[in-house]
Amino acid sequence: SAVISQKPSRDICQRGTSLTIQCQVDSQVTMMFWYRQQPGQSLTLIATANQGSEATYESGFVIDKFPISRPNLTFSTLTVSNMSPEDSSIYLCSVKVQLSTDTQYFGPGTRLTVL
Amino acid sequence: EDQVTQSPEALRLQEGESSSLNCSYTVSGLRGLFWYRQDPGKGPEFLFTLYSAGEEKEKERLKATLTKKESFLHITAPKPEDSATYLCAVQAPKDSNYQLIWGAGTKLIIKP
Repeated sequence: SAVISQKPSRDICQRGTSLTIQCQVDSQVTMMFWYRQQPGQSLTLIATANQGSEATYESGFVIDKFPISRPNLTFSTLTVSNMSPEDSSIYLCSVKVQLSTDTQYFGPGTRLTVL
Repeated sequence: EDQVTQSPEALRLQEGESSSLNCSYTVSGLRGLFWYRQDPGKGPEFLFTLYSAGEEKEKERLKATLTKKESFLHITAPKPEDSATYLCAVQAPKDSNYQLIWGAGTKLIIKP
């Protein structure tokens, strides 16, 4: 498995501002993922972030709104840009520790509220 | 269309009352099925991976089983600390890769 931390754990932001969420892993991993979980709902994949390449975004998510950085094998950031109340959600990062297995391990999440 | 459905949405049990949660799926080619537990305000915690029909995995009071159309998470003599939302996810082919399709979860409440 892996120990994953996220910062901040929660934040309250004003409409129109941006927030950058950090994800730190205690071991080197190739594949990192960013998810959104809206209140009472399941997980929606935003993008896959592999070190050394551009992030791959899922349908409905664009780089201008959710820019992602992956500078090394233990760290990634997700920025939520020009926020609106509809962006209020829990944002989760996850990792695949081994490419030979498909199991993903999740961080504790960042609870974002946009006013 | 690939789909994962979990039932029931919520389940209330008395401590010690065994039951099962269901995850049914329709996908074009199952690569794996995953069970996670999620406590309020936390990220999902990995429980099990199942790869083929007939496979079973156990952990403490939990046992996961898999058929060609569904998976069950059996909870034997649950305790209040088993209260959580249980998520099921199925990995299936997408283009030249794979995607994880998530169910909406079952919220389990165990009353002392």
